[in-house]
Formats: sequence, C-alpha cells, structure tokens
Amino acid sequence: AQRVTQPEKLLSVFKGAPVELKCNYSYSGSPELFWYVQYSRQRLQLLLRHISRESIKGFTADLNKGETSFHLKKPFAQEEDSAMYYCALSSNNAGNMLTFGGGTRLMVKP
Amino acid sequence: GAGVSQSPRYKVAKRGQDVALRCDPISGHVSLFWYQQALGQGPEFLTYFQNEAQLDKSGLPSDRFFAERPEGSVSTLKIQRTQQEDSAVYLCASSILAKGASTTGELFFGEGSRLTVL
Repeated sequence: AQRVTQPEKLLSVFKGAPVELKCNYSYSGSPELFWYVQYSRQRLQLLLRHISRESIKGFTADLNKGETSFHLKKPFAQEEDSAMYYCALSSNNAGNMLTFGGGTRLMVKP
Repeated sequence: GAGVSQSPRYKVAKRGQDVALRCDPISGHVSLFWYQQALGQGPEFLTYFQNEAQLDKSGLPSDRFFAERPEGSVSTLKIQRTQQEDSAVYLCASSILAKGASTTGELFFGEGSRLTVL
C-alpha cells in the first residue's frame, strides 16, 4: 500500500524566512511525486512535480529515494505563499490515481 | 467553461436522504476522478473513470456510494441514505491522460461540492 505523510499540520514563518514543508512517502516501486497547492478561495492546483525538476514560484522539491522524502523548499517566503500544501504520490500500478497527504497549512506573517 | 465544474457547490441533506453530485470535466479529458475530503484531511480517492468505463472503485466507502459517467463526459456521484459521516467536500478532477500513459497527467480539480448531513 502507498502512503504519504505530512507531519506538520501548520507551519508559520515570517516573510523572508526560509520554508521547508516536509513530505515522506511509503511505496516500494518507482513513484511520481507532486506538490499541489490550494490558495484561499481557490481550487486545488498543481504546483510542481519531481520529474520536471523545475522551480515554480521559487519553490523546489527534490525526490530523495533513500529517505523516501519529497520536501518542498523556498529560500525566502512571501505573504502570497500562504496556502494549504498537499504532497501526492502516483505509482505505476495506480495509473493516474494520486494518493494525497493530510496537508500542511503555511502561514507567512508580515 | 475552461475548468472543471461541479454542482451543487453546497448541499445540506437530512440523514437518510439521497443526494446526487455532478461533475462536468474539461472537454476532451479522458480520465475523471472523485475524491472525498473530510475537514482537516487530505483528499481521499473514491473512484476513477477512463471515458465511460469505471476502472477503479476501490475507494468507495460503502455500497451506498455509486458513480457513473455514461457518455464519457459528465459524471454523477450518488450517495444513498446519507449518514453524518458522509459530510465532506467531494472533489472531482479530470486529466487528459489515460491510465497506462508513461507519466501521470496533471489533475485539474473542480471547486468541490460541500455536503453537510444533519
């Protein structure tokens, strides 16, 4: 069975501080990992995926297969980054189906 | 419309009533998913359609839950004899890619239908 764990329900930082949202997964095969974000009063949307290896809105995430982690990082948080962040996993066997973590609410204070 | 559309946005039902939630995916999207999101939790998979075929319904919590997509476009999630534990936001998502594609397609989500069972 595949599982995604986000240990922090809430992360509060000041503007300009570094941010790291933790994500750990359990899956024995080769997963695809994603971060989805939900801003206030908006729908859930894709932020980034590990296979793209790109930085979106200053965020990056590296897949660490040894530690089974996919932490989301940003060096300098902005107030507009305040949102709910969900880590998600897709396995070969599940096709397109995503398994989501419980989510972390990021609050960036001025 | 440009995105996934869900209706109703809000539904209040008395325990024991039947409800139907509608999802209109992005035109041309092959895959359609239903997720259930309880308060303070992440989305939990319910069921998956590829065109009109329901390929996975392993996440449906009981036989009171039924989903269909008869023409491979609009989908309906029906909950019979609603219970208080059914209270949640029901999310629909669609993807242009089919199961078995070399990569997992981006899921485009609707705004959700918030069901409250009294």
